[in-house]
Amino acid sequence: DAGITQSPRHKVTETGTPVTLRCHQTENHRYMYWYRQDPGHGLRLIHYSYGVKDTDKGEVSDGYSVSRSKTEDFLLTLESATSSQTSVYFCAISVGTSGLGTDTQYFGPGTRLTVL
Amino acid sequence: KNQVEQSPQSLIILEGKNCTLQCNYTVSPFSNLRWYKQDTGRGPVSLTIMTFSENTKSNGRYTATLDADTKQSSLHITASQLSDSASYICVVSARNTDKLIFGTGTRLQVFP
Repeated sequence: DAGITQSPRHKVTETGTPVTLRCHQTENHRYMYWYRQDPGHGLRLIHYSYGVKDTDKGEVSDGYSVSRSKTEDFLLTLESATSSQTSVYFCAISVGTSGLGTDTQYFGPGTRLTVL
Repeated sequence: KNQVEQSPQSLIILEGKNCTLQCNYTVSPFSNLRWYKQDTGRGPVSLTIMTFSENTKSNGRYTATLDADTKQSSLHITASQLSDSASYICVVSARNTDKLIFGTGTRLQVFP
């Protein structure tokens, strides 16, 4: 699992509340990613980071923000959760220095989020 | 539009049988293609990665093939085991990009 943990593993929250998911890695890899996985869709990239304080948007970034103040932690925040954000969220890291395109990617165990 | 399509959506086989999963893509310019295995409730795990110049790669009982001309890949599983029950996801990356295009996966169930 390349030393990736996610917390919490499960969360139920109400519409309109803020939610923060945490991804922690133990091996100081440069690139970290947040994806969401929904039935009928492939994994979709929300945001990614290529270093401390360096982040960029993915294809489904609306309603999400991220922060990376330390190499080992990448936080995903839903500022005001909506039912459409009910999903399974995966954190991933790239082992290498070139980024997603060529490096091997490892995924965390996932966080199942339900927004009522 | 860059897309990855997998077939079948789901497959049921008996333990010990072989099976082949398909992946067609329209990603251009092509960089590499990966197959992942995702057990229920877990994150995906990489099985193989192939670049343009590779047409076969094996990982134990898993053999992936790539035809870059027809933009097709297959994942062949030999002598299936109950532990092969999982979703198998095809992922393609385009050259000079930081993005991966994921297929929706094939759900394989192996029964005794």
